Amino acid sequence: AQTVTQSQPEMSVQEAETVTLSCTYDTSESNYYLFWYKQPPSRQMILVIRQEAYKQQNATENRFSVNFQKAAKSFSLKISDSQLGDTAMYFCAFMPAPGGDMRFGAGTRLTVKP
Amino acid sequence: GAGVSQTPSNKVTEKGKYVELRCDPISGHTALYWYRQSLGQGPEFLIYFQGTGAADDSGLPNDRFFAVRPEGSVSTLKIQRTERGDSAVYLCASSSDRGLIYEQYFGPGTRLTVT
Repeated sequence: AQTVTQSQPEMSVQEAETVTLSCTYDTSESNYYLFWYKQPPSRQMILVIRQEAYKQQNATENRFSVNFQKAAKSFSLKISDSQLGDTAMYFCAFMPAPGGDMRFGAGTRLTVKP
Repeated sequence: GAGVSQTPSNKVTEKGKYVELRCDPISGHTALYWYRQSLGQGPEFLIYFQGTGAADDSGLPNDRFFAVRPEGSVSTLKIQRTERGDSAVYLCASSSDRGLIYEQYFGPGTRLTVT
């Protein structure tokens, strides 16, 4: 069974600085997809960034980028120039096949301080 | 276009009662997912529909939980004989079979409280 581990229950960062959230996963699959979702207090899960395992290049979306290390089964999220609106729970998620169910980590609560 | 909607947003029920939670996916999305999120945890997969049929129901915790999607659009999650341990936020997501088929769009969830 696939498992996703987020070892940082809580993190904080000063506004405008950079923060990295960690995620590791366990799978025997060779092809899969990885995601970072943001969940603000409104409960709405918002996709932040995704990575296809067959792509070696790390995904980037504006201030958000990932460090995908397939051999180490590691998928960290870097948030640059942190903004107050980035304050939320962040979940790492694994999907073994397109259209399949996702497995989520327990989440990291990120607080951006002014 | 509207996103995924879920009703009710909050539901309080007594132990032993029956509840139904509704999910309206994004129009045209063929895949629909139900997840359960307990306090302080990440979402946990319950069931996945492709069209009208359940493609994977391996996450349903027991036979008190059942979900339907009779016309391939709206889905209802049904919980019989509710228990206090069923209290959680129930999230629904949908995705398309075209383009980025692996991107799931989530609704705001239904917070179920069993007293």
